[in-house]
Amino acid sequence: NAGVTQTPKFQVLKTGQSMTLQCAQDMNHNSMYWYRQDPGMGLRLIYYSASEGTTDKGEVPNGYNVSRLNKREFSLRLESAAPSQTSVYFCATSMEGRGEQYFGPGTRLTVT
Amino acid sequence: GENVEQHPSTLSVQEGDSAVIKCTYSDSASNYFPWYKQELGKRPQLIIDIRSNVGEKKDQRIAVTLNKTAKHFSLHITETQPEDSAVYFCASDYTGRRALTFGSGTRLQVQP
Repeated sequence: NAGVTQTPKFQVLKTGQSMTLQCAQDMNHNSMYWYRQDPGMGLRLIYYSASEGTTDKGEVPNGYNVSRLNKREFSLRLESAAPSQTSVYFCATSMEGRGEQYFGPGTRLTVT
Repeated sequence: GENVEQHPSTLSVQEGDSAVIKCTYSDSASNYFPWYKQELGKRPQLIIDIRSNVGEKKDQRIAVTLNKTAKHFSLHITETQPEDSAVYFCASDYTGRRALTFGSGTRLQVQP
């Protein structure tokens, strides 16, 4: 039972490159989330998926796209990376949208 | 959107003292208030939560109190130990979005 997994753990991109961060869960949870964490800024919601087949914007969606591939997987794509997207990215899941969330281990992304 | 303010941003206490972290929220319809602990380089993990039908909840050395009228809630840690050193985040659910909104975090340092 792996819980919430994220790949990759670390990534360095050059400005303008694209990449996809992957998140998978085996908790049979309905809702999945992507956050970014910057020093002193807490956790800011990028996008979320309340249930399979739906996605919605969070607080800071610009520059990102998401795909809820199936109930288990939720990916985050950066089409043209910018230095301002240097951050730690966390995926999280919950059974229902406004309850306890379980976090993945995070992806540390640096854009140069 | 929902706004969650958290104070203080940093807190230093002596081992054995108590620590209190406070949060205020703006959505009067919020009814779920979790607290997460994040150790350095790790993922956030839930330590305690409270729903709006109760005013206080305890779990060993930690407790959370909720004042719905004033729209604020607090985390209390008694008999602090060095392993309590971490960043603590409060959050509340937000009726406009099926997700949590997080405070900006409090870095707690327990001095031995």
